[in-house]
Amino acid sequence: DSGVTQTPKHLITATGQRVTLRCSPRSGDLSVYWYQQSLDQGLQFLIQYYNGEERAKGNILERFSAQQFPDLHSELNLSSLELGDSALYFCASRRADGNTGELFFGEGSRLTVL
Amino acid sequence: LAKTTQPISMDSYEGQEVNITCSHNNIATNDYITWYQQFPSQGPRFIIQGYKTKVTNEVASLFIPADRKSSTLSLPRVSLSDTAVYYCLVGAPQYSTLTFGKGTMLLVSP
Repeated sequence: DSGVTQTPKHLITATGQRVTLRCSPRSGDLSVYWYQQSLDQGLQFLIQYYNGEERAKGNILERFSAQQFPDLHSELNLSSLELGDSALYFCASRRADGNTGELFFGEGSRLTVL
Repeated sequence: LAKTTQPISMDSYEGQEVNITCSHNNIATNDYITWYQQFPSQGPRFIIQGYKTKVTNEVASLFIPADRKSSTLSLPRVSLSDTAVYYCLVGAPQYSTLTFGKGTMLLVSP
């Protein structure tokens, strides 16, 4: 158990819909990262938050948005869903002490868009 | 971020030592080398991290030559449960927009 909690574990929805994925980082971790993993694309970095502020953006679509709340949990919002958005979405956290690159990943949220 | 190159796949048998090499020719002075392991439908898990020479922990060793343009993850006496994808990442830890490549799929057979 990494200490990172993601909900829901599985989600099935239709094209055009909107979903929200939730992540609770490990206790004390200030940085939260979101990754998307699909069969043909590997693990793609989407976005990073540190203590409530956006720190870095990767290959995140404009239809996707995220935020980190004062209690440090984070949400990834996916809208106008397309079939190609079907993937595993991972959240990871780390303490961001500057001396380690270790990320702790959650078990992921599997999104299926029909 | 330094680009990394790893073999797409490797095969081994139980009890053997497995060495997975990662090339990172444009590694920067502040970059560390980190390896992760991922099982199907699970999040990646940290294995080991190093900067130079050799690092060893309870599950693996990491060998880094003096020029740091490559690194080798060594898994001693693999078992079936070591079948997974192994990712090599290079970057400065404090700027962790860590980019995972396609990784190396290790298949361990009986």
